[in-house]
Amino acid sequence: DAGVIQSPRHEVTEMGQEVTLRCKPISGHDYLFWYRQTMMRGLELLIYFNNNVPIDDSGMPEDRFSAKMPNASFSTLKIQPSEPRDSAVYFCASRDQETQYFGPGTRLLVL
Amino acid sequence: KQEVTQIPAALSVPEGENLVLNCSFTDSAIYNLQWFRQDPGKGLTSLLLIQSSQREQTSGRLNASLDKSSGRSTLYIAASQPGDSATYLCAVIMEYGNKLVFGAGTILRVKS
Repeated sequence: DAGVIQSPRHEVTEMGQEVTLRCKPISGHDYLFWYRQTMMRGLELLIYFNNNVPIDDSGMPEDRFSAKMPNASFSTLKIQPSEPRDSAVYFCASRDQETQYFGPGTRLLVL
Repeated sequence: KQEVTQIPAALSVPEGENLVLNCSFTDSAIYNLQWFRQDPGKGLTSLLLIQSSQREQTSGRLNASLDKSSGRSTLYIAASQPGDSATYLCAVIMEYGNKLVFGAGTILRVKS
């Protein structure tokens, strides 16, 4: 398996623009997690899905953030409108029985 | 609210040295504890997973221990190598959920 795939790997955008991050989990994994990593706050869980259903979105910072999982092999995290404080590395992870497998991350810079 | 603390924040050692990274958590009602490695600009790689009923796990030169009642875990790295240089993160999952709560990490540098 290719592991968790994320795209794009890098994104530079201007404040106010919409940003969409994409994730393909490992086949057969029924949990999918979105995290954000910053120097100030470390790794924070934003939202997670089980069998494509959002279970806990309490980590989503604001209504500007939304996440979807239309099927077992694809998820998106959308920020609209984006702000400079959203600049961070966003990770997607999927899980089998116990272990979470992380993607390489999307490095987002909002100018 | 669970809080995970890692000490030290950074560590620099000469090659060949044995070293210990520390992790503590405030709520002992954990389901398991995991140690991850993160290389610069990369994602996280799971190193070891310890169930709450276990005391330790070993993989190669790595050994992780867990004392659930005291809220502590250690990651022992034997005969360190420059390739071990990375950030090491500790994370716990609570008994009542699926969310990983991460520590801030220990940045390790092994000098050749």
